Parts: sequence; C-alpha cells; structure tokens
Amino acid sequence: DVKVTQSSRYLVKRTGEKVFLECVQDMDHENMFWYRQDPGLGLRLIYFSYDVKMKEKGDIPEGYSVSREKKERFSLILESASTNQTSMYLCASSQTDYYGYTFGSGTRLTVV
Amino acid sequence: DAKTTQPPSMDCAEGRAANLPCNHSTISGNEYVYWYRQIHSQGPQYIIHGLKNNETNEMASLIITEDRKSSTLILPHATLRDTAVYYCIVNNAGNMLTFGGGTRLMVKP
Repeated sequence: DVKVTQSSRYLVKRTGEKVFLECVQDMDHENMFWYRQDPGLGLRLIYFSYDVKMKEKGDIPEGYSVSREKKERFSLILESASTNQTSMYLCASSQTDYYGYTFGSGTRLTVV
Repeated sequence: DAKTTQPPSMDCAEGRAANLPCNHSTISGNEYVYWYRQIHSQGPQYIIHGLKNNETNEMASLIITEDRKSSTLILPHATLRDTAVYYCIVNNAGNMLTFGGGTRLMVKP
C-alpha cells in the first residue's frame, strides 16, 4: 500500500517562527499536495507539485511556500508563523486521477 | 471542476445499508465521480470512483445515474467504524481535488 508519512502529528510553534512540515511518500507518485483543514471550511488546497522542483499555487498560498527537491518529499514552509495558521495540515500524493489520492495522517499545528 | 451537493448529515443503524446521495448536475463528460471519507483526526481515505458504470469494491458500491447528474455511495452493512465525513468529488484529469463540506454519517448501535 502507498504510504504518505508526515513528520509530526502535533506541533506547537511561536508566532514569527519559521516552520517546516515534511511529507514523504514511498510509491514514486508524480503529484503531491498540501491542504489545510479548518472547522466549517473543509479542506483547502495550499500548494501542489506535479514534478520535482515544480510547484503550483492552490487556493490559499499566502503565507506559505513549498519545496520539492526530491520526488518523494514535499515540504510546506511557513516563513513566519502566525496564529491564523493554526490548523490541521494534510499532505497527499497521487499518480494519476484514476486511482485517487492517498493522504497522510495530518499534522496539527498550533501557533501561539 | 463541477460542484457537488451533499446532505450535511445522515444517520444509519448499525448493520443496515447506508446510502449517501450526491448531486453533480453540472458534471462534464470527462469528469469522474470520487468518494472519500475522513474519520475523525485522520487524513481522508479514498473509497471508490467511477465514470459512467456502477462500481463495486471491498468497501462500497457506487451507483451513477444514467444522466450522470447524481450518484449514491452504498455501504452495504454499516458498522460503527464507518462513522465519518464522506466527500463526493467530481474531477477531470487536472489532478486537483476540491473537497466540499461532505456528509457526516453517524452509524448508531
């Protein structure tokens, strides 16, 4: 089975800190995605990548950047964390849309 | 991508079939219907997808109407562990899924 691993399950950071959320997939998938999930707002796409070193903005990219130096790893970066970035962050990967996405377990980030 | 409409919540008795409806009246010819579910505090899990024909796998069945404007996800024998939010999504080859509010299914003993 495809596995998508997010480095931390829970994370607490201070306002203004630079935060790295790491995601690794083990099935050679082309596409990787970062979503955030907030109560009442559902899942919202932050960034996605369809190849190494390629990235595209999703619906809410402001305050975030991403890095994909290797095919299996997709990092989400909060340049200067703010309290409104407190959320559940979900990483996903896919090969083609025929087989859907595989999601990680999520990282619950709290910015204080 | 086409928009979907789902009821916000549904109840189902344990052991009975859960039938979750989804309307996607603006679906285009090359868009698939996907279903995912999200159990509390976990990432969404792929369930099933289809284009025109009905589909069945070990988790569920997907019934798509002939005009493709609606579909129903069927969990044939719901268990307590099926309590989750179920998302119906339509998607073309663009590989970007957009999640709506979903249906919160509560399976009750």
